[in-house]
Amino acid sequence: GESVGLHLPTLSVQEGDNSIINCAYSNSASDYFIWYKQESGKGPQFIIDIRSNMDKRQGQRVTVLLNKTVKHLSLQIAATQPGDSAVYFCAERGPGNQFYFGTGTSLTVIP
Amino acid sequence: NAGVTQTPKFQVLKTGQSMTLQCAQDMNHEYMSWYRQDPGMGLRLIHYSVGAGITDQGEVPNGYNVSRSTTEDFPLRLLSAAPSQTSVYFCASSYSGTLGGREQYFGPGTRLTVT
Repeated sequence: GESVGLHLPTLSVQEGDNSIINCAYSNSASDYFIWYKQESGKGPQFIIDIRSNMDKRQGQRVTVLLNKTVKHLSLQIAATQPGDSAVYFCAERGPGNQFYFGTGTSLTVIP
Repeated sequence: NAGVTQTPKFQVLKTGQSMTLQCAQDMNHEYMSWYRQDPGMGLRLIHYSVGAGITDQGEVPNGYNVSRSTTEDFPLRLLSAAPSQTSVYFCASSYSGTLGGREQYFGPGTRLTVT
């Protein structure tokens, strides 16, 4: 999984399998979290968000889980497709309503 | 809508040169921001603006200037480029009342190399 300041981890999955990408956030007072997808040569794209008063939120083929006890966020992608290959990173909203971004995990989907 | 546009896509500068990275949005967003993205680090906020005529510093503002004379445009100026400013720069705009969130849209980025 990713964390602020670490090297970029990688994850390879077979097409059709589920993917789980992890993120450790730093501030226990952060109240809002976002997952982004960034394809090569493009800007980050919003995937899904979750507020700190929730522990799970589902979107289309994606689920975000929040564990505030251990300050951990995960993104689950169901039935991973080649188009899901990208870098995924999380962001937390901390003090001053500013966002702090993780370094990302590179997901490669093997056809 | 074109969304958030940035020019140029690529730029090479020599140390000490100056340049302006352009950013424009056509969504009538009040909030605009500049980030830099470096290997091994997450996006870091350089400067932001909550409306025309209002700008403020983010996490890493040194070496950069901004202005916001119109709602649409938010240029980022490097007055004297340094190799430490080699990075990919992203502009973003937001509809909601915060800098980020689900309503924040990023441009495609400008890859800057300073030699």
